[in-house]
Amino acid sequence: GENVEQHPSTLSVQEGDSAVIKCTYSDSASNYFPWYKQELGKGPQLIIDIRSNVGEKKDQRIAVTLNKTAKHFSLHITETQPEDSAVYFCAASINNQGGKLIFGQGTELSVKP
Amino acid sequence: GAVVSQHPSWVICKSGTSVKIECRSLDFQATTMFWYRQFPKQSLMLMATSNEGSKATYEQGVEKDKFLINHASLTLSTLTVTSAHPEDSSFYICSARKREGGTDTQYFGPGTRLTVL
Repeated sequence: GENVEQHPSTLSVQEGDSAVIKCTYSDSASNYFPWYKQELGKGPQLIIDIRSNVGEKKDQRIAVTLNKTAKHFSLHITETQPEDSAVYFCAASINNQGGKLIFGQGTELSVKP
Repeated sequence: GAVVSQHPSWVICKSGTSVKIECRSLDFQATTMFWYRQFPKQSLMLMATSNEGSKATYEQGVEKDKFLINHASLTLSTLTVTSAHPEDSSFYICSARKREGGTDTQYFGPGTRLTVL
């Protein structure tokens, strides 16, 4: 079955710097890759997603890139702010097979003012 | 929009009792919902897939008789933890699948913190 590896497990950056989180997946049939932000004690919030027919997607300070050949995708956050501090999870799924998400291990991002 | 609610947000119960958690999609219909549990500082672990009008599909190692799932309508799924024990204490999170234009997106509820004494 699908396996998703996420790195790093923790990431500390200065406010204003960029943060990059990387994920690799094992099943080449996966075609949907969402990213979720989870604040302490809350449910995950979808922040951006990408489908296999595109290589990059951007939404203001957040961007996601996908390399299907290498089976990896990355989250890029620019101009980080303290409120970006949270745990970020990547996930992968085969969208026409019930949509079951396989999650990475999570990255705890800390943005220091 | 895509809003998913959960009730209660937290619950404390005695060992041996049962607890029901509700998951609702507020502004869309969801034929499929998912139930996860999450331990501190860990990732989300899928417990089961809840399908409206049919039996839930449980992941390997999840006891279906202990975690009863009912998806009675297109906007409501419930998870009942039966005969709860302290090791069942966890953060339970549901998600609902929204289908738009042939593609699916999962939206999560805010979670329910269960503490079993």
